[in-house]
Amino acid sequence: GENVEQHPSTLSVQEGDSAVIKCTYSDSASNYFPWYKQELGKGPQLIIDIRSNVGEKKDQRIAVTLNKTAKHFSLHITETQPEDSAVYFCAAGEEGGSYIPTFGRGTSLIVHP
Amino acid sequence: KAGVTQTPRYLIKTRGQQVTLSCSPISGHRSVSWYQQTPGQGLQFLFEYFSETQRNKGNFPGRFSGRQFSNSRSEMNVSTLELGDSALYLCASSLRARQYEQYFGPGTRLTVT
Repeated sequence: GENVEQHPSTLSVQEGDSAVIKCTYSDSASNYFPWYKQELGKGPQLIIDIRSNVGEKKDQRIAVTLNKTAKHFSLHITETQPEDSAVYFCAAGEEGGSYIPTFGRGTSLIVHP
Repeated sequence: KAGVTQTPRYLIKTRGQQVTLSCSPISGHRSVSWYQQTPGQGLQFLFEYFSETQRNKGNFPGRFSGRQFSNSRSEMNVSTLELGDSALYLCASSLRARQYEQYFGPGTRLTVT
């Protein structure tokens, strides 16, 4: 089955800095890579996703890059703000196929004002 | 458009009892997936329902079961509760089966004593 590794487990930055979270996956059949943000007491919120036919995707201050050859993908947050503080999860799976979506263990991002 | 709703939000049960959790997907979404989230194991997929049929199943014992109704609402049942079943149970909805663009509810916090 799929195995997703996520690093770092904790990331502390100053407001305005950039933050990068990295994930690796094991199964070359995986073709869909979402990122979720989970705030305390809430369910995960889909913030951006990328499919394997695309190398990079941006949405305002967040971007995701995918390297299929190396089997890794990353979340980039620029100009971080205190409200970006949350736990971020990456996931990988074969959309439309039989694979079960596999999640990383999460990164706790702390943005200091 | 209303988001995914889950009831109840909090639940305390005793070992050996059973519990039923409910999830109402986003209007128009026909797929509902269930996840268990614990500090030790992270986010783990339980099962997915689409058109009242289980389409995918994770690696959980048969004590965990679910069903989906014709209006796409879903219920999850856990029988013979164990202490290790204490977790946040999340449901997520999507338009189609095995589509990982999912939207999560706030979860049900289950505590087994």
